[in-house]
Amino acid sequence: AQSVTQLGSHVSVSEGALVLLRCNYSSSVPPYLFWYVQYPNQGLQLLLKYTSAATLVKGINGFEAEFKKSETSFHLTKPSAHMSDAAEYFCAVTTYNQGGKLIFGQGTELSVKP
Amino acid sequence: DAGVIQSPRHEVTEMGQEVTLRCKPISGHNSLFWYRQTMMRGLELLIYFNNNVPIDDSGMPEDRFSAKMPNASFSTLKIQPSEPRDSAVYFCASFAGMNTEAFFGQGTRLTVV
Repeated sequence: AQSVTQLGSHVSVSEGALVLLRCNYSSSVPPYLFWYVQYPNQGLQLLLKYTSAATLVKGINGFEAEFKKSETSFHLTKPSAHMSDAAEYFCAVTTYNQGGKLIFGQGTELSVKP
Repeated sequence: DAGVIQSPRHEVTEMGQEVTLRCKPISGHNSLFWYRQTMMRGLELLIYFNNNVPIDDSGMPEDRFSAKMPNASFSTLKIQPSEPRDSAVYFCASFAGMNTEAFFGQGTRLTVV
């Protein structure tokens, strides 16, 4: 079975500061990993995904994440936070034999201070 | 494509009533998922279908919950009878295959009073 742990339910940064949202996964077979963003009263939108190609993945809105197998991590980063980045972020995992079934972490709410 | 379409967006009902949530997946996607989101439990997978067939319904909380996918373009999630603890946002997502992504609808916010 797969699982995801997101460290920190709330993260607050200043505008222009580095954003780092942490995600660790557990999987007995090679994982596919995703980061989704949810704005208030909206559905989930894909930021980026890792599907066994390059370990450094670039996504939309300047976000990127690095797959580190040795650390079972897939942390999300952005060099400079913008006010519009305030949202909830979800890390998710699936595997080739799960038919796309995503297992989500508990989410991290990102606040951006002016 | 208009994306995954869910209806209604908001539903308020009285305890004991039947509630039906609807989802139209993206055309050509062969997998469909129903998730429930609450503050306490986060995003939980309730059930998923592949080629209209239920594959895994282990997340359905009780027999009061049922889901159907009569064809590739429509799915329903029914709660009968509804209870206040069913209050949540219910999301539908569709998926075309590995190396792609799951697309989510806007969700249905259900309030049972």
